[in-house]
Amino acid sequence: SAVISQKPSRDICQRGTSLTIQCQVDSQVTMMFWYRQQPGQSLTLIATANQGSEATYESGFVIDKFPISRPNLTFSTLTVSNMSPEDSSIYLCSVSGIMNTEAFFGQGTRLTVV
Amino acid sequence: SQQGEEDPQALSIQEGENATMNCSYKTSINNLQWYRQNSGRGLVHLILIRSNEREKHSGRLRVTLDTSKKSSSLLITASRAADTASYFCATDADQGAQKLVFGQGTRLTINP
Repeated sequence: SAVISQKPSRDICQRGTSLTIQCQVDSQVTMMFWYRQQPGQSLTLIATANQGSEATYESGFVIDKFPISRPNLTFSTLTVSNMSPEDSSIYLCSVSGIMNTEAFFGQGTRLTVV
Repeated sequence: SQQGEEDPQALSIQEGENATMNCSYKTSINNLQWYRQNSGRGLVHLILIRSNEREKHSGRLRVTLDTSKKSSSLLITASRAADTASYFCATDADQGAQKLVFGQGTRLTINP
């Protein structure tokens, strides 16, 4: 299993500013995943973060808006840039076990943009 | 885009009753997983069923998988107030990939 520490757990931010979310895993993992969960909705994958290379973004998400860092095998950050109220969501980081096993999630960051 | 569709979107039952949630998906999969989310927090893994399995049990949970219909169901028996949560199915986005595609979720409320 993996234990993921994600912070901040919540924040209220002014529009136009940026917020960086941190995700720390208690073991080394190859890939880390960042998801967004808009209010009352399901999870949508933003990007996959690999150590030593640029993140791979899903359709509809771009690096300028959601820059990701992955400096080592246990840590990643997601920045939500130039925020607008539409960015108000829960952001979750996740790692997977070896193939065909469960995924582990951080507790999420509840972001409100005002 | 979301691969999975779940129904019902919301379900409210009395404590002690059984709750059944359904999930459909569109592409071939290696496995399908069910997760629970309490009050917008992190997701907790409940059960994984592989594509070559048809049914799996874990405590009060029973999951079925019908790959011919591309559908799965989650049954919670003898529900408890603590089962109140949102439940999501998730499939591997591409066979062999670790990233997941989530269904829309079912919000389950257990009334005491």
